[in-house]
Amino acid sequence: GAGVSQSPRYKVTKRGQDVALRCDPISGHVSLYWYRQALGQGPEFLTYFNYEAQQDKSGLPNDRFSAERPEGSISTLTIQRTEQRDSAMYRCASSPGLAGPSYNEQFFGPGTRLTVL
Amino acid sequence: AQKVTQAQTEISVVEKEDVTLDCVYETRDTTYYLFWYKQPPSGELVFLIRRNSFDEQNEISGRYSWNFQKSTSSFNFTITASQVVDSAVYFCALSEPPGVNDYKLSFGAGTTVTVRA
Repeated sequence: GAGVSQSPRYKVTKRGQDVALRCDPISGHVSLYWYRQALGQGPEFLTYFNYEAQQDKSGLPNDRFSAERPEGSISTLTIQRTEQRDSAMYRCASSPGLAGPSYNEQFFGPGTRLTVL
Repeated sequence: AQKVTQAQTEISVVEKEDVTLDCVYETRDTTYYLFWYKQPPSGELVFLIRRNSFDEQNEISGRYSWNFQKSTSSFNFTITASQVVDSAVYFCALSEPPGVNDYKLSFGAGTTVTVRA
């Protein structure tokens, strides 16, 4: 079946512009996660949804970052007034959630490479 | 605070050699999950394994094997008879306790494996 998809795969923007990154999770997956990965580092947790409810946004760096998942499926991560330090790979993951044996096995999308000039 | 250390930054081997990737973690929790992911040159993050802290049995899947030792807080990964297609960055990750924040993965910095023909 289809895996997690993200769009765009690459985004180049100028400092100060807003960007919206999209994530389409595996069909039927309850939980959705956003991570940010700097070059040469592992991913760092940003935020997490169960269905449409944002359960934890403690990893969002500041209030320029926000995320939503209004219908419990597709999610959008928005960065307002981008800065050069926001340049990174942004990864989305989904997991079955609920109480099944694989509930927290996270399957990642290909990521969006964001470059802020 | 949770922490995952992958002390080996890069490993280079010749095809058919075995390669072992070290992962040492720190946590004050008694229950947690450990993960390994593979990031090939194409950039996606591929789930390899999830291990519950209660299960210390070693696991083998084809040419991959994992050695979990709770006493030394290590979860090492061995690729037997390596192949060029194994060339990738490998990440070890740790989750918070089940029922608390077990969706939040803390990743190590990764180990780059290069397999030469």
